[in-house]
Amino acid sequence: EVFLVESGGGLVQPGGSLRLSCAASGFDFSRYGMNWVRQAPGKGLEWLSHISGPGTPIYYADSVKGRFTMSRDNAKNSMYLQMTNLRDDDTAFYYCARGTLDYWGQGSLVTVSS
Amino acid sequence: QAGLTQPPSVSKGLRQTATLTCSGNHNNVGNQGATWLQQHQGRPPKVLTYRNNSRPSGISERFSASRSGSTASLTITGLQPEDEADYFCSAWDSDLRAWLFGGGTKLTVL
Repeated sequence: EVFLVESGGGLVQPGGSLRLSCAASGFDFSRYGMNWVRQAPGKGLEWLSHISGPGTPIYYADSVKGRFTMSRDNAKNSMYLQMTNLRDDDTAFYYCARGTLDYWGQGSLVTVSS
Repeated sequence: QAGLTQPPSVSKGLRQTATLTCSGNHNNVGNQGATWLQQHQGRPPKVLTYRNNSRPSGISERFSASRSGSTASLTITGLQPEDEADYFCSAWDSDLRAWLFGGGTKLTVL
């Protein structure tokens, strides 16, 4: 069975940094592209980034390009989202999702507030 | 990035059939179809169909997807109270190299 588990969320001040992790199990992780998607409170879903199975290429949404960096470690069946220069409007649940968005994690809440 | 277009709300009666739509263009929905997700208040999204009409295990056959040109549809038959939720569509855009989402449709079961 496919499982995706996010971790690393929490409260951070504006301008701060945070690193999210996504641990995957139940499938051949290195063969799948992966994604980060977020959802602000009461809002819709917003795709953030995609990383291919080998680790490149990586694509980003304009809203996070230059501030967020996605990476993966296939040996650890894990992927990461390094978030810097965080703003109030980055407050959201952050989800990792497999390839064609066919499996999702439960989400990790990031709150940006002073 | 621009998003896909979904009607904000749809209302149908118990045991009726609801059809939700999702419009894009030839680079996204018209190219690879759509993924449909259901989300209940306070819960993470749940995938209903992907790659046009593949269903994850455990998803009821009452949910089916189709596509005509650049418009994808999700049909829900025999509506139940638990089907009342927000429904999102998504599609990979081959030109933008990005996943696009619709704004979501709130389905009310009367």
